[in-house]
Amino acid sequence: EIVLTQSPGTLSLSPGERVTLSCRASQTVSSRYLAWYQQKPGQAPRLLIYGASSRATGIPDRFSGSGSGTDFTLTISRLEPEDFAVYYCQQYGSSSSTFGQGTNLAIK
Amino acid sequence: QVQLVESGGGVVQPGGSLRVSCAASGFTFSTYGMHWVRQASGKGLEWVAFVEHDASYKHYADSVKGRFTVSRDNSKTTLYLEMNSLRAEDTAVYYCARWDRVAAEGDYHYGMDVWGQGTTITVSS
Repeated sequence: EIVLTQSPGTLSLSPGERVTLSCRASQTVSSRYLAWYQQKPGQAPRLLIYGASSRATGIPDRFSGSGSGTDFTLTISRLEPEDFAVYYCQQYGSSSSTFGQGTNLAIK
Repeated sequence: QVQLVESGGGVVQPGGSLRVSCAASGFTFSTYGMHWVRQASGKGLEWVAFVEHDASYKHYADSVKGRFTVSRDNSKTTLYLEMNSLRAEDTAVYYCARWDRVAAEGDYHYGMDVWGQGTTITVSS
C-alpha cells in the first residue's frame, strides 16, 4: 500500500497569503492518478485537482497543483475566506487507493 | 443534475451485516468507475473500495477485504456496498464517489469528481 504523508498537519494563515501544501508518497505515484480534495465541516469532499495539475470544473485559478514521482504540492496563490478547510491528496494505483491524512488550513 | 444519493445507513451490532446503496442520476452511470470512501467522526478520509464501470474488476482496502463486497446494477444506475462481520472500527460516514477521467496534456487525468452526501453507519451493541 502506498502511504501518502501530508505536511504540515495544521497551518494558520490570513486571507491574502500564499500557501503551499505538500503530499509525499512512500513509492512512486503516477501523476495521472494523483488528486487533491477540499473538505469543509459537515460537507462531502470536493475535487480540486485531477492528475496532479489539472483544475476540476469551476475551481478558481488561484488553486494549482504540481509534482511528480513521490512529491506533489497544492498551492493557493492568494487565500480567500472560503479556502479555510481541510485538504487531502489521494492516489490510485496497483489495485488500491489511499488518501493522505489531511492538512487543516485554519484562519489566523 | 448530476447526483449521487446514498441510503441504507443505520445502527448495526458488531458481527452484523448491512447493505448501503448509492443511486446515481444525471449522467451515464454505466460508463464510470465508482468508489466507496468512508470517514470516521473527526478523522480523515479512508478509501474503501472501487468497481470498474462494467464490474470487470473490483479492489478493496485491506481493512475491509473479505468482509465487504462492492457491486453495481447499471440497469438501475445504483452502486452497492454489502458489509458483513461489521466491527466497531467500521463506524463512519460512507460516501460514494464517481471516478472521472479527463483528457489533458496528451494523457488522461483521474479524480473523484462527484460525491454523495454520505450515509452514516454505526456499529455498536
